[in-house]
Amino acid sequence: AQSVTQLDSQVPVFEEAPVELRCNYSSSVSVYLFWYVQYPNQGLQLLLKYLSGSTLVESINGFEAEFNKSQTSFHLRKPSVHISDTAEYFCAFSGAGSYQLTFGKGTKLSVIP
Amino acid sequence: DAEITQSPRHKITETGRQVTLACHQTWNHNNMFWYRQDLGHGLRLIHYSYGVQDTNKGEVSDGYSVSRSNTEDLPLTLESAASSQTSVYFCASSESRGSVGVYNEQFFGPGTRLTVL
Repeated sequence: AQSVTQLDSQVPVFEEAPVELRCNYSSSVSVYLFWYVQYPNQGLQLLLKYLSGSTLVESINGFEAEFNKSQTSFHLRKPSVHISDTAEYFCAFSGAGSYQLTFGKGTKLSVIP
Repeated sequence: DAEITQSPRHKITETGRQVTLACHQTWNHNNMFWYRQDLGHGLRLIHYSYGVQDTNKGEVSDGYSVSRSNTEDLPLTLESAASSQTSVYFCASSESRGSVGVYNEQFFGPGTRLTVL
């Protein structure tokens, strides 16, 4: 069965410290990978995506994620977080041949001043 | 600018009532999806549609129905609301042109918070 596992449900981190949000997937077919962010009381917004090519992808606000096929992972990192990064982050994937997304259960990132 | 809207944003209803949540997108996307978001479960797919007159069941479809009469709208109906359907509901849409999978980015609405008493 295809699935996404986000290993941490909550991650507290001090402002300006680095953070890593972990995501592992299980699929028997090629996948496309996504990270979405949900700010309080809002819908989900795409943060970054891996479709093909370079395994390291970046967002406009300093996040990056690396696709690791051998470890079936797509961890999200930021070298220095801001208060404004406080949100819930969802990892998702789509198998080749499908328009559906399978979401992880989410990781709540809390940035502490 | 293209967008996806949901209405109402908040709804309180009673057990047994029929409720319809609206979703409208101006992206001209063929694909539309309904999810529910619950603490500890993330987002779970309720129903989805790949075009007009096409509807499909998702992971948690029991007690819900959808219909697609045009490209822009995919209303979600709770036939007889139950307390277990108290949740936040999100509608999303995506393109379907090109290779399947290449355009899988989904655009989300702001959500509807539904409370069933």
